[in-house]
Amino acid sequence: GQNIDQPTEMTATEGAIVQINCTYQTSGFNGLFWYQQHAGEAPTFLSYNVLDGLEEKGRFSSFLSRSKGYSYLLLKELQMKDSASYLCAVADSNYQLIWGAGTKLIIKP
Amino acid sequence: IAGITQAPTSQILAAGRRMTLRCTQDMRHNAMYWYRQDLGLGLRLIHYSNTAGTTGKGEVPDGYSVSRANTDDFPLTLASAVPSQTSVYFCASSQGSPGGANVLTFGAGSRLTVL
Repeated sequence: GQNIDQPTEMTATEGAIVQINCTYQTSGFNGLFWYQQHAGEAPTFLSYNVLDGLEEKGRFSSFLSRSKGYSYLLLKELQMKDSASYLCAVADSNYQLIWGAGTKLIIKP
Repeated sequence: IAGITQAPTSQILAAGRRMTLRCTQDMRHNAMYWYRQDLGLGLRLIHYSNTAGTTGKGEVPDGYSVSRANTDDFPLTLASAVPSQTSVYFCASSQGSPGGANVLTFGAGSRLTVL
């Protein structure tokens, strides 16, 4: 079966760095997405990786290793507004998105 | 402001009743989707439409139906609601071009409670 694993919850301190991991087993691979979802709101797109390596976008970076079925989202200089759930999703061989359950990130002052 | 509008925002429904969740987008996106989100589970695709006039079944289609009469509207109907359909429902859209980053834009969600 197809499976996306990510930690259920993580806690970090304001100003620090946090890495949220995502491992996947899917039928084919056509890209990996990270979305941010604040409580009670819609998911919003953060990043997309289809080739191995690191994609940097301001305070957020996303890494992909296709051979290991692994990605991480790196958040630097954490702010209180970064408290949210972070969703990992993989596009399979049919370009259908398979979603992880999300990682709830709690930022403490 | 361009985006997706969902209605209602929240609804409490008696089991056995029929319910239609409305979704309208103004971005002229080809593809539209309905997901449900339940605690501890990832987003699960209910139905999708790659273009106006076509629809397809997702991972959890039973008990739901959709139609896509035009580009903008993609309503989701529960013919006879059951308590297991209590969930938050998200409508989404994308350009729908295979290959590349098919980024989804989501509506604000409809919280449905079936008693």
